[in-house]
Amino acid sequence: AQTVTQSQPEMSVQEAETVTLSCTYDTSESDYYLFWYKQPPSRQMILVIRQEAYKQQNATENRFSVNFQKAAKSFSLKISDSQLGDAAMYFCGKVQGYQKVTFGTGTKLQVIP
Amino acid sequence: EPEVTQTPSHQVTQMGQEVILRCVPISNHLYFYWYRQILGQKVEFLVSFYNNEISEKSEIFDDQFSVERPDGSNFTLKIRSTKLEDSAMYFCASREYAQETQYFGPGTRLLVL
Repeated sequence: AQTVTQSQPEMSVQEAETVTLSCTYDTSESDYYLFWYKQPPSRQMILVIRQEAYKQQNATENRFSVNFQKAAKSFSLKISDSQLGDAAMYFCGKVQGYQKVTFGTGTKLQVIP
Repeated sequence: EPEVTQTPSHQVTQMGQEVILRCVPISNHLYFYWYRQILGQKVEFLVSFYNNEISEKSEIFDDQFSVERPDGSNFTLKIRSTKLEDSAMYFCASREYAQETQYFGPGTRLLVL
């Protein structure tokens, strides 16, 4: 079974600082997609950023960027200039062949004013 | 921007009752999914649906569950005889043909008493 592992159940960051959330995954395929979803207290799943495995360039979306290490099967999320609104659960997910998303167990991010 | 919508947002039901959760996927999307998230746990895949049939289902999706696309816009999840352990947040998601990104609805919070 495919697995996605988030080893940090909780993280905290000072407002305006940078934080990195870790994610590793298991796969035998060369072509797949990776995602980070944010889940605020409302529990809605909001897409933050995505990465295509065949692209070497790391994806960026404003203050959010990833460090994709394909050989190491690692996909970390960096949040720069953290804001109070960034406080949420963050789920790493993987899709292979346009199928289901396999999610990790999540990291709860606290932003300290 | 188009969104996936779900109704109801909250539902409380008695054990053994049938519930139908409704989703309206994004209009040009062709692939539909249901996921669930038990409180405090990760998001788990239930079923995927394409071309009016189930394309994949998980072990969770047993005979008590069914999905249907009754018309051109709605996608429903039916639980025939609810159990206490069915209490969870249920997410609908959809995606375009040949696109890997799944867009999630806001979820339906189901409580079985």
